[in-house]
Amino acid sequence: GNSVTQMEGPVTLSEEAFLTINCTYTATGYPSLFWYVQYPGEGLQLLLKATKADDKGSNKGFEATYRKETTSFHLEKGSVQVSDSAVYFCALPHGQNFVFGPGTRLSVLP
Amino acid sequence: NAGVMQNPRHLVRRRGQEARLRCSPMKGHSHVYWYRQLPEEGLKFMVYLQKENIIDESGMPKERFSAEFPKEGPSILRIQQVVRGDSAAYFCASSDDGHNSPLHFGNGTRLTVT
Repeated sequence: GNSVTQMEGPVTLSEEAFLTINCTYTATGYPSLFWYVQYPGEGLQLLLKATKADDKGSNKGFEATYRKETTSFHLEKGSVQVSDSAVYFCALPHGQNFVFGPGTRLSVLP
Repeated sequence: NAGVMQNPRHLVRRRGQEARLRCSPMKGHSHVYWYRQLPEEGLKFMVYLQKENIIDESGMPKERFSAEFPKEGPSILRIQQVVRGDSAAYFCASSDDGHNSPLHFGNGTRLTVT
């Protein structure tokens, strides 16, 4: 079945640093890929998605490109802010539900 | 434009009691998913329901746990005879067609078993 492997955290960065959170997947076919973000005390929110190979999803300065040759969907942001501190989850469909990575906790220091 | 509504936000139960968690999906959504999150861990799928039907309950423990999504009213996740290991955050999510559509999550119910 489909599965996802995600970079373990925690990740601590200074404000304005460059962020990369790695995500690789195993899947049958080419399913849509998602990044979700969870702020403290809240549920997950969709951050961005890509529906086919070479698609780039983007939102709030975050980007991720669907790479079928490396089966990856790495999350990047050029300049992080303190408000980006949260837990980030990579996800993809699995049967009739979704499978999520373990989450990567990001802390951004002022 | 209400999102996914879960209640209660916090629930404390003594061992052996029943816990009942409610979820109202986004307006127009007929697909509901329940996930469990333990502290510092990822989300574990429990059950996927459509109106009046359980589609996939492969992630739900066979005993003490049940879920329903009636024709009218919210989806309910019921845990009977709770034990300390049931303490976790339970998240409900909904989608409009269940096929690769993004999930919309509620803010969760945090269950504490004392």
